[in-house]
Amino acid sequence: QVLLVQSGAEVKKPGSSVKVSCKASGNTFTTHVITWVRQAPGQGLEWMGAFIPIFGSADYAQNFQDRVTISADRSTNTVYMELSSLRSDDTAVYYCARDAFFSYENSGYYHWGALDSWGQGTVVIVAS
Amino acid sequence: DIVMTQSPDSLSVSLGERATINCKSSQTVLQTSSNKNSLAWYQQKPGQPPKLLLYWASTRESGVPDRFSGSGSGTDFTLTISNLQAEDVAVYYCQQYYITPQTFGQGTKVEVK
Repeated sequence: QVLLVQSGAEVKKPGSSVKVSCKASGNTFTTHVITWVRQAPGQGLEWMGAFIPIFGSADYAQNFQDRVTISADRSTNTVYMELSSLRSDDTAVYYCARDAFFSYENSGYYHWGALDSWGQGTVVIVAS
Repeated sequence: DIVMTQSPDSLSVSLGERATINCKSSQTVLQTSSNKNSLAWYQQKPGQPPKLLLYWASTRESGVPDRFSGSGSGTDFTLTISNLQAEDVAVYYCQQYYITPQTFGQGTKVEVK
């Protein structure tokens, strides 16, 4: 069973940044895409982006394109999600999750997969 | 973006009865190359992360009871919980992973009548 362990809760001021970590067990980090999803209080799930280790790059949702950076540290099997210019509506639980079936074609087209393992979630509160 | 719309928003079902949740996507999520639908279902209980139940629209994740089943293709999908148990009380989400941004339905809350 893959284990994803996230960093602890954060309280931030509007306009600041937050960096959440997600440490993966085993060789998950090198073989699987790690995705970030957030959930505002009482709301649904929102896909933010993903880190694709085979390319060492990230794919972002347009809604967050200018504010989110997803990166990784191979030496510690950890993926990071940094969100800048925080607003009150960024208050949410942030989850990392493993893509079970990601693959790609030589053309560069990605085939994504369902999310089969999730971190415990990190609460981020943005308040003045 | 592909919009995922679930119905109903909530439903109340007696123990041992069937719960049916529908999910409609604004465009097809069928991968023609593999003939697989890039559609997953998740269960989320309060204070917990989502749990994968089904992927490729109808393939049950390991360890998921067989009372959970999925059907549909293209743009219309259904999650069926037969013989509802007390532990099935949760919010259920569909998700398309056909293209990014991956999108989720708004969720359906299942309660025991």
